[in-house]
Amino acid sequence: DAGVTQSPTHLIKTRGQQVTLRCSPKSGHDTVSWYQQALGQGPQFIFQYYEEEERQRGNFPDRFSGHQFPNYSSELNVNALWLGDSALYLCASSLLSGRGAYEQYFGPGTRLTVT
Amino acid sequence: ELKVEQNPLFLSMQEGKNYTIYCNYSTTSDRLYWYRQDPGKSLESLFVLLSNGAVKQEGRLMASLDTKARLSTLHITAAVHDLSATYFCAVDYNNNDMRFGAGTRLTVKP
Repeated sequence: DAGVTQSPTHLIKTRGQQVTLRCSPKSGHDTVSWYQQALGQGPQFIFQYYEEEERQRGNFPDRFSGHQFPNYSSELNVNALWLGDSALYLCASSLLSGRGAYEQYFGPGTRLTVT
Repeated sequence: ELKVEQNPLFLSMQEGKNYTIYCNYSTTSDRLYWYRQDPGKSLESLFVLLSNGAVKQEGRLMASLDTKARLSTLHITAAVHDLSATYFCAVDYNNNDMRFGAGTRLTVKP
């Protein structure tokens, strides 16, 4: 059973460019969340997708957008990249089943460097 | 807005010693998670704590949750070098929006 996968592993972009990161959830999971983790800090919640809709959003500008596909995979798009967008981007998947033993499983991450 | 505070942020321990990492949070939540992260790696789930008084143990690590005090602890017993990593607590805020602490960077020395 494959866990959460992300691509690419590493990416280098220039300021002002746009980037798309991809995530495939763990088998059986229907919800994907994205996090940004700057060096030396804890992950910051960007947004969550469920049933192809953005369900929740953290304190990130509109430059950050996403999409979820019918097979539950997801993309994170960042426009007009800033140097400050350099970080590890983590995708986490879960099964949205109300209250209970809810748990998110994290992918290996995409390391984005903006120069 | 939910704030999650961990302390200490840096912890250097001798092998064989015991220590506790603390996680305080500012608003009501009854779901708390502990994760481990090795350098350059993703997050590995350690514990999921779902109710007041919950206690879970795995090997040399034990986690507990006091929802009334808004406090969780991660206790390390007889530390070994392999436990060196960064440990994060995360609190479920507004139904599946997880808020993380800043992390505790643990180094276990021989």
